[in-house]
Amino acid sequence: QKEVEQDPGPLSVPEGAIVSLNCTYSNSAFQYFMWYRQYSRKGPELLMYTYSSGNKEDGRFTAQVDKSSKYISLFIRDSQPSDSATYLCAMRSNAGGTSYGKLTFGQGTILTVHP
Amino acid sequence: DGGITQSPKYLFRKEGQNVTLSCEQNLNHDAMYWYRQDPGQGLRLIYYSQIVNDFQKGDIAEGYSVSREKKESFPLTVTSAQKNPTAFYLCASSWDQGTQHFGDGTRLSIL
Repeated sequence: QKEVEQDPGPLSVPEGAIVSLNCTYSNSAFQYFMWYRQYSRKGPELLMYTYSSGNKEDGRFTAQVDKSSKYISLFIRDSQPSDSATYLCAMRSNAGGTSYGKLTFGQGTILTVHP
Repeated sequence: DGGITQSPKYLFRKEGQNVTLSCEQNLNHDAMYWYRQDPGQGLRLIYYSQIVNDFQKGDIAEGYSVSREKKESFPLTVTSAQKNPTAFYLCASSWDQGTQHFGDGTRLSIL
């Protein structure tokens, strides 16, 4: 079983829809949670960064973390064709040593927003 | 503009050949990382370096080697021992254990 599970999709929605992307994880030591967006043939770019449980909002994007359920979500409101990309969740613990800075990624969800 | 530059964008390797992927950053970050991305598998850590002249193996280091002689540079060599090298390779950097910023990758294929 992978440490981080993410539904690869693909997910196709009409413009203006609310998109929900999710990841589950098994390692209770994870404390930092990230969502990256990756356009085709490009590197991932950071969208959201949260620590521990709770919600964080940035424009049309909302990240939620539920540590008790080991479940994180990214919501995109009023989705646009320019949101079409692969969305990767990533997380890490606060440990040092051999776990220094190590991010564990989900498989990525391919999202298409059609006009 | 500050950022991470990876080169070349596309690279082809012949059987038995070593190839080196370049990664340069001007963000003054101490830590640098190499990941491999395969379809449907997310990113997997190959090597990372916390400071100059020090680096550690990640989850899939076999068949790869790195060096960190300068703060700005972290080249990755894909050796002939790596039997399945075809993938998208991504370099990242960060302050300490903070947010990782990525380059735009090198796509390696086998001739």
